[in-house]
Amino acid sequence: NAGVTQTPKFQVLKTGQSMTLQCAQDMNHEYMSWYRQDPGMGLRLIHYSVGAGITDQGEVPNGYNVSRSTTEDFPLRLLSAAPSQTSVYFCASRDETGDQETQYFGPGTRLLVL
Amino acid sequence: GQSLEQPSEVTAVEGAIVQINCTYQTSGFYGLSWYQQHDGGAPTFLSYNALDGLEETGRFSSFLSRSDSYGYLLLQELQMKDSASYFCAVRDYNTGGGNKLTFGTGTQLKVEL
Repeated sequence: NAGVTQTPKFQVLKTGQSMTLQCAQDMNHEYMSWYRQDPGMGLRLIHYSVGAGITDQGEVPNGYNVSRSTTEDFPLRLLSAAPSQTSVYFCASRDETGDQETQYFGPGTRLLVL
Repeated sequence: GQSLEQPSEVTAVEGAIVQINCTYQTSGFYGLSWYQQHDGGAPTFLSYNALDGLEETGRFSSFLSRSDSYGYLLLQELQMKDSASYFCAVRDYNTGGGNKLTFGTGTQLKVEL
């Protein structure tokens, strides 16, 4: 049981380049989400999905696309990278069984846009 | 929308007890969660409160008062490894059908000898 995995761990892009951050989970969680974390700003929700084929926007969706073709995978696409997208990106999935809820985070992708 | 407030930094000595407060404003409160994040690491879940009262998990406890829109995380018998950032987070059923988790900006806890 690997939990939530993300690739790559580090990435450097030039302004205008596109790329996809990969995220996968093996816990059969329906809910998955993407956050970005910037110094002093906590975690901000980019996009989320409540199940395969269903996605919705979070607080800061501009410049990012997502899709959810399977329960396991939730890739995040940067369409045209900008320096403002330099951040640490975390993917997460959520367990909503019973009365508790636990959100599991991947190890993160550190992105630098030059 | 939602807003959460928590102190930016707290310092305490090893073996002591520390309380990290969180006040929130939401239109449709669902529950309050706490996460721990060590430098360079990913956030990890600590606790969740949907109802008023205290939830205890080992050295960590979390408290919620829905009427005061307030909660806290209590860490007892502090250890050096507890030095980390702690985030409170809320779910609001009026936002994204309760599917959006909004995080506070985090409290950096420094444990000293």
